Amino acid sequence: DVKVTQSSRYLVKRTGEKVFLECVQDMDHENMFWYRQDPGLGLRLIYFSYDVKMKEKGDIPEGYSVSREKKERFSLILESASTNQTSMYLCASSSPSVPYEQYFGPGTRLTVT
Amino acid sequence: AQSVTQLDSHVSVSEGTPVLLRCNYSSSYSPSLFWYVQHPNKGLQLLLKYTSAATLVKGINGFEAEFKKSETSFHLTKPSAHMSDAAEYFCVVRGGGFKTIFGAGTRLFVKA
Repeated sequence: DVKVTQSSRYLVKRTGEKVFLECVQDMDHENMFWYRQDPGLGLRLIYFSYDVKMKEKGDIPEGYSVSREKKERFSLILESASTNQTSMYLCASSSPSVPYEQYFGPGTRLTVT
Repeated sequence: AQSVTQLDSHVSVSEGTPVLLRCNYSSSYSPSLFWYVQHPNKGLQLLLKYTSAATLVKGINGFEAEFKKSETSFHLTKPSAHMSDAAEYFCVVRGGGFKTIFGAGTRLFVKA
């Protein structure tokens, strides 16, 4: 069974802290994605990666960075967390042969106070 | 440009009655379309997909969707709702490159 795991289900951080969200997939997928999910807005793409050390900005990259040192792991970094980054963060992966079929992790609900 | 509009933010049905979740899309080329489901406190799961084969697509848990090019629609249906269908549903269209574009979501409530 395919699996995408995220390091935390819930996180509470203070404004200005550096925050790391980790995602690991066991399907040997080249493509990995970070989304944020907000009520009434659906999912919005923050960053994606199509190979190790490769990354592309999505629709809302401001305030975020990413790291992909290994194929199975994709990290989202909030350099200086702000309250408007309080959200649900979802990681996904897909194969290049079927790139639009994405497998999602359970999500991390981040609260910045 | 590609876009997707889910016409209802909330839909409420009684158990055993039909479900209809509406989705309209816009695409510059032949679209690939998907429905995902998200149960409470869970990640998204692919329900079904359309990729230019049969226009009526069957998915998991008795759901199906019909691609109608003339109406630019991809509505999701189920003949008989079950309590376990209560969830949020997302209509998705293929974007450029590896991107996918998500609708705002429709929350389905199922009454006993």
